[in-house]
Amino acid sequence: KAGVTQTPRYLIKTRGQQVTLSCSPISGHRSVSWYQQTPGQGLQFLFEYFSETQRNKGNFPGRFSGRQFSNSRSEMNVSTLELGDSALYLCASSSFGGGRETQYFGPGTRLLVL
Amino acid sequence: AQKITQTQPGMFVQEKEAVTLDCTYDTSDQSYGLFWYKQPSSGEMIFLIYQGSYDEQNATEGRYSLNFQKARKSANLVISASQLGDSAMYFCAMNLQGAQKLVFGQGTRLTINP
Repeated sequence: KAGVTQTPRYLIKTRGQQVTLSCSPISGHRSVSWYQQTPGQGLQFLFEYFSETQRNKGNFPGRFSGRQFSNSRSEMNVSTLELGDSALYLCASSSFGGGRETQYFGPGTRLLVL
Repeated sequence: AQKITQTQPGMFVQEKEAVTLDCTYDTSDQSYGLFWYKQPSSGEMIFLIYQGSYDEQNATEGRYSLNFQKARKSANLVISASQLGDSAMYFCAMNLQGAQKLVFGQGTRLTINP
């Protein structure tokens, strides 16, 4: 089975722009979660989608949004980029998202905001 | 709220030695899952091992074992016979039953010396 894939792998944007990141989960997985990793704050949960519905949300401003499509692929969008949004964005998938399930991560998208 | 503490920012170990990475957690919930992930410099989070709060036996996966002491709220990762390829960041994480939100510790950078 193919693993979680994320595109693009690297991205450079300037302040004020917006960006869309894509995540394709493992085949058959219906839960997709997003995390932000920075040197200062570590790994932080952004949100989780299951069957096209957002089920959980972390403590991030409304500039961070996401969606999930009927094939379970997910996108996250960050509008009005700030320098502090520079980070590694990781996507993870699991079968049903039942809490005790293991989440499998993709390679991440490294975003640099100038 | 849940919290994960990893008190070892960095560890240096000789190849073929066993190594223990410490993890303590804090939660008032009775049902939760504990995970260990490995993150090489490439950035991808690799799942290593899982322990459920109701599991009576310590989890093992090949060279990895989890020393689970529920009363002390600790979930230390033990790597037997370390290899050069084990050099990476290691993260301890937990989630609650029914929630896909993983809470991560700050990580431990493990370096295996030849």
